[in-house]
Amino acid sequence: NAGVTQTPKFQVLKTGQSMTLQCAQDMNHEYMSWYRQDPGMGLRLIHYSVGAGITDQGEVPNGYNVSRSTTEDFPLRLLSAAPSQTSVYFCASSYSLRGYEQYFGPGTRLTVT
Amino acid sequence: AQRVTQPEKLLSVFKGAPVELKCNYSYSGSPELFWYVQYSRQRLQLLLRHISRESIKGFTADLNKGETSFHLKKPFAQEEDSAMYYCALKAGSYQLTFGKGTKLSVIP
Repeated sequence: NAGVTQTPKFQVLKTGQSMTLQCAQDMNHEYMSWYRQDPGMGLRLIHYSVGAGITDQGEVPNGYNVSRSTTEDFPLRLLSAAPSQTSVYFCASSYSLRGYEQYFGPGTRLTVT
Repeated sequence: AQRVTQPEKLLSVFKGAPVELKCNYSYSGSPELFWYVQYSRQRLQLLLRHISRESIKGFTADLNKGETSFHLKKPFAQEEDSAMYYCALKAGSYQLTFGKGTKLSVIP
């Protein structure tokens, strides 16, 4: 199993550009989530999904959209990138919302200039 | 709302010295507590959780409901323990809430 995969690993955007961060898992996990990691702020939940077709907002959802059309994929869309969105983005999955262990992807380092 | 506090951003200890990474939480119900670790250039991974009451890589953590704490301890630090450590809380069916993390640096 590849586990949780994310693409790209690195990305530089200009303010106002849009892009999609890809996340996929091959463990048949129902629960998937997106976090951003900022120095001194830890991990903050952006959006999450408890199954295909079901998504909800986390702590810091503004400026991001998600969709979950399949169990495997959970892309994160930046609608109009801003410098405040410069961060490292992690995707994670677990068997269910009640599952205790989340499996994390390798992260995407995004810089917005 | 639940909250996790890790008071130290950075903790430096000498190799062979004891290590204690502090974690305090606030939640009125019965929480599940976890420690996640991120080694350099590696992805975040689960280190241990309080329910299992196990020792992983020499680390242990005991849930103290009276003090609402879940400190991570190791009697003798090793250089390979240098990493970023996150305490996390799971309240019922809600998502994980992470602390801000503590960077552990073990000095040779």
